[in-house]
Amino acid sequence: GESVGLHLPTLSVQEGDNSIINCAYSNSASDYFIWYKQESGKGPQFIIDIRSNMDKRQGQRVTVLLNKTVKHLSLQIAATQPGDSAVYFCAENIPSGSARQLTFGSGTQLTVLP
Amino acid sequence: GAGVSQSPSNKVTEKGKDVELRCDPISGHTALYWYRQSLGQGLEFLIYFQGNSAPDKSGLPSDRFSAERTGGSVSTLTIQRTQQEDSAVYLCASSKGQGRETQYFGPGTRLLVL
Repeated sequence: GESVGLHLPTLSVQEGDNSIINCAYSNSASDYFIWYKQESGKGPQFIIDIRSNMDKRQGQRVTVLLNKTVKHLSLQIAATQPGDSAVYFCAENIPSGSARQLTFGSGTQLTVLP
Repeated sequence: GAGVSQSPSNKVTEKGKDVELRCDPISGHTALYWYRQSLGQGLEFLIYFQGNSAPDKSGLPSDRFSAERTGGSVSTLTIQRTQQEDSAVYLCASSKGQGRETQYFGPGTRLLVL
């Protein structure tokens, strides 16, 4: 079946460097995407979202890029800090009559090295 | 404002016992979701409530799992005759429920079945 997946299960970056976390999705009908951050022992926390009519959206130190041609989503974190260490999930929304059509990827563990 | 809250934060039970997990969504959010997250895994959808509509139970893994939502607010997830494979973090999320809204998560309940 169609699913959301991540290219890399783990990513280690030096403090201060930029991080890029990638996500592939296979459902061409998906029109809304969200990135969540989950720290150890906590629930997922919303970071940033993007709708399919956009290809880029920026937040504070984060940028999400959407390439619908190749069904690829990425999260860029500028000047990565120790507090950014967490698991990052992408999620896609498939439009339907139900608002629950949010499918999550398996997550990427980001580790920030001192 | 207050976020999604869940209780208990941790629950240890013996195989065969029943457990009840509670979720208090964000005030005014009409949609409520339950997910299960096994160690190092992504989020597995369990059940979804939207207003007064019949819940979407398509993600419940067996008839030992059930959930209810009273008064359109608080929800309880019940697992009967718990098994060791039920050990996981159970996450609750809520959203405004008008379409493709961001889901806001609680901290989760960590369930351990011995």
